[in-house]
Amino acid sequence: AQSVAQPEDQVNVAEGNPLTVKCTYSVSGNPYLFWYVQYPNRGLQFLLKYITGDNLVKGSYGFEAEFNKSQTSFHLKKPSALVSDSALYFCAVRDIRTGFQKLVFGTGTRLLVSP
Amino acid sequence: GAGVSQTPSNKVTEKGKYVELRCDPISGHTALYWYRQSLGQGPEFLIYFQGTGAADDSGLPNDRFFAVRPEGSVSTLKIQRTERGDSAVYLCASSLTAAGVSYEQYFGPGTRLTVT
Repeated sequence: AQSVAQPEDQVNVAEGNPLTVKCTYSVSGNPYLFWYVQYPNRGLQFLLKYITGDNLVKGSYGFEAEFNKSQTSFHLKKPSALVSDSALYFCAVRDIRTGFQKLVFGTGTRLLVSP
Repeated sequence: GAGVSQTPSNKVTEKGKYVELRCDPISGHTALYWYRQSLGQGPEFLIYFQGTGAADDSGLPNDRFFAVRPEGSVSTLKIQRTERGDSAVYLCASSLTAAGVSYEQYFGPGTRLTVT
């Protein structure tokens, strides 16, 4: 079965420092991976995706993610965190078993950026 | 442009009652998805529409749950005989679709359902 794991419930980082939010995946076949962010009382917002090509994917709001096939990871990164980045982050993988595009989400990681 | 909209934003109902949740997708998006997000969890897939037909309803928990999309645009998720365990945020998403291509899904703000 397709799945993703987010091993950290919460990540704390000081403003201006680099941040990493971890995600590992388990898929059969080629992985299609996504990162979404959820702010309080708002829907999920798409950040970036990896389908094929360069292992470093750049997305919205200065975020990027590194696809690592040997480690089956797709960690989200940002060189310099902002207080406004504080939110809930979800990693997701496309479930290709049926040929359709439903997403399987991780349990989420709460990012807290302190001033 | 307009994003995915969902109504109502909040719904409180009594156990055993019937509820309908509405989703209006982004114009031109032929694919529509419903997910359910319980407290402290990631969204879980319920059902996927391609056009008017339900292409994959494998995530619906039981036959109390049903969804329609009669004209290929607006969708309604229907829950009969609601139970307290149905309390969650119900998320709708839409996307473009094409064979062999993974387009991102755009999510609405969700409907928070509370069954008392």
